[in-house]
Amino acid sequence: EPEVTQTPSHQVTQMGQEVILRCVPISNHLYFYWYRQILGQKVEFLVSFYNNEISEKSEIFDDQFSVERPDGSNFTLKIRSTKLEDSAMYFCASSDYPRGYNEQFFGPGTRLTVL
Amino acid sequence: SQQGEEDPQALSIQEGENATMNCSYKTSINNLQWYRQNSGRGLVHLILIRSNEREKHSGRLRVTLDTSKKSSSLLITASRAADTASYFCATAGYSGGGADGLTFGKGTHLIIQP
Repeated sequence: EPEVTQTPSHQVTQMGQEVILRCVPISNHLYFYWYRQILGQKVEFLVSFYNNEISEKSEIFDDQFSVERPDGSNFTLKIRSTKLEDSAMYFCASSDYPRGYNEQFFGPGTRLTVL
Repeated sequence: SQQGEEDPQALSIQEGENATMNCSYKTSINNLQWYRQNSGRGLVHLILIRSNEREKHSGRLRVTLDTSKKSSSLLITASRAADTASYFCATAGYSGGGADGLTFGKGTHLIIQP
């Protein structure tokens, strides 16, 4: 069964460093998302992406964040200068239809720890 | 309360019993989805119910949706120890263009006692 994959599973970084989180969405999906979950809190939407551009972003997704689809399979989230409060689980998701009309399938997540 | 609020926050039942979790939301929705998350792991999609549907079944899961009350419930019948997890509702709303993100609730932590 197709699934969303994410690498790495755990990333530890120093405050101020840049990190890139990687995702491989389900191959026939066109709509991609990043979410984050701070420990013990709800899952929060960060950004959606379609046709090589951002479709929608939340207020969390500030200038420190960027997304890219560098090739036909990968979808990345970059945090330019990490802060302690960026420590969270980051989930990638993909869907075959926009506006949340169909299921969004989530990857296993990358746990980011900023020291 | 915020969009997609579940209750109870925690639920502990005996194996074999039924578990019911509720979700309330505030704005108009396209659909409502339920997800399961085992401790520290990824989100597993369970079931999607559209705004024009009232009830949906999938195996031991039954979901209802009442758009007039802006609420949904998830029933797990004949619970098993493996059902121990956090359960989240997530709503997909309407907006113009693009691919909208889901709005998640805080979740119900379900513990099945053997």
